Amino acid sequence: KAGVTQTPRYLIKTRGQQVTLSCSPISGHRSVSWYQQTPGQGLQFLFEYFSETQRNKGNFPGRFSGRQFSNSRSEMNVSTLELGDSALYLCASNFLGTAYNEQFFGPGTRLTVL
Amino acid sequence: GQQVMQIPQYQHVQEGEDFTTYCNSSTTLSNIQWYKQRPGGHPVFLIQLVKSGEVKKQKRLTFQFGEAKKNSSLHITATQTTDVGTYFCAGYAGNNRKLIWGLGTSLAVNP
Repeated sequence: KAGVTQTPRYLIKTRGQQVTLSCSPISGHRSVSWYQQTPGQGLQFLFEYFSETQRNKGNFPGRFSGRQFSNSRSEMNVSTLELGDSALYLCASNFLGTAYNEQFFGPGTRLTVL
Repeated sequence: GQQVMQIPQYQHVQEGEDFTTYCNSSTTLSNIQWYKQRPGGHPVFLIQLVKSGEVKKQKRLTFQFGEAKKNSSLHITATQTTDVGTYFCAGYAGNNRKLIWGLGTSLAVNP
């Protein structure tokens, strides 16, 4: 079974631009969560989608948004990029989205904002 | 808000020495999950603990969940260079569907 895939793997943008990141979960997984990882800040939860609905949201500004499609693939969008948005963005899929299922992470998208 | 504190932040050990990382929550957790992230990699699930006082072992790794379900530990016996990475704990608290993550403990092993 293929793992979680994320595209692109690396991205360089300039301040003020917007970016869209994509995540394809493991086949059969309906829950997709997005995280921002920066050195010293650990994994910061952005949001979780389950069956095309945003089920939970972290404490990020409205510039960060996401969506999930009927095939469970998910996209994350960041508008008006700031230097502080430079980070590794990880998505994780989960079979049923319950508290007791493990998270399967993708390799991440490394975003650099110049 | 709900927090999970993880200590130490960094640990350097000589190969063969033991290593322990601790995870402490401000609230009672439904469960605790442990993940390992190798340098340049992504977090990979190691184990989940659910029951109060639960202890699980995976070869040289021993995981414990406290009696009050507010703390957990990961102990590695006789570290090897393959143990290098950052170890994260994460747990769910009550009806909060967000997985609350610790900041991780980075382990370096000198051969």
